[in-house]
Amino acid sequence: NAGVMQNPRHLVRRRGQEARLRCSPMKGHSHVYWYRQLPEEGLKFMVYLQKENIIDESGMPKERFSAEFPKEGPSILRIQQVVRGDSAAYFCASSRDSPTNEKLFFGSGTQLSVL
Amino acid sequence: SQELEQSPQSLIVQEGKNLTINCTSSKTLYGLYWYKQKYGEGLIFLMMLQKGGEEKSHEKITAKLDEKKQQSSLHITASQPSHAGIYLCGADSGKLIFGQGTTLQVKP
Repeated sequence: NAGVMQNPRHLVRRRGQEARLRCSPMKGHSHVYWYRQLPEEGLKFMVYLQKENIIDESGMPKERFSAEFPKEGPSILRIQQVVRGDSAAYFCASSRDSPTNEKLFFGSGTQLSVL
Repeated sequence: SQELEQSPQSLIVQEGKNLTINCTSSKTLYGLYWYKQKYGEGLIFLMMLQKGGEEKSHEKITAKLDEKKQQSSLHITASQPSHAGIYLCGADSGKLIFGQGTTLQVKP
């Protein structure tokens, strides 16, 4: 049973370009979470999605960032018009049920570098 | 909103020594998780604690949740280089939120 798959592992973008980060949850998992990790900082929650629905987006910046988890296919975190401050490691996690009392499984992350 | 504070922020120990990492919550904990992260990789689940006074062990790592459910500690006995990494505590807050992490280095 494959774990949480994230791609690409490394993504380089120039300022103003778009970044698309993909996350395929573990088989049987319908809950997906995105986190951002800046150097020397902990993991910051961004958004929680359950198939086709955004459950909690309290950690998402109001502009340029969006996330989706379609009925078919991976979850996508999209960052439009990237700026240098968007450079970070972005981690995706998944769970079978809602996060209460449920272990989350994490992907290996996508390292985004904005030039 | 709930916040988690970890201490120390970083730790360097000699191989074979014991160590403790603490995690304090601003609110009562209804689920406390410990994860480990190696540099450049994702998080690996270690343990989950739910009940006040609960204690769990796995190999040389023991985690405890205090009776009031606002503090947890992670204790490593006879540390090894393989224990090196970033340890993060997480709390169930409708979604999983994390402390800032404790970076552990173990010197051979």
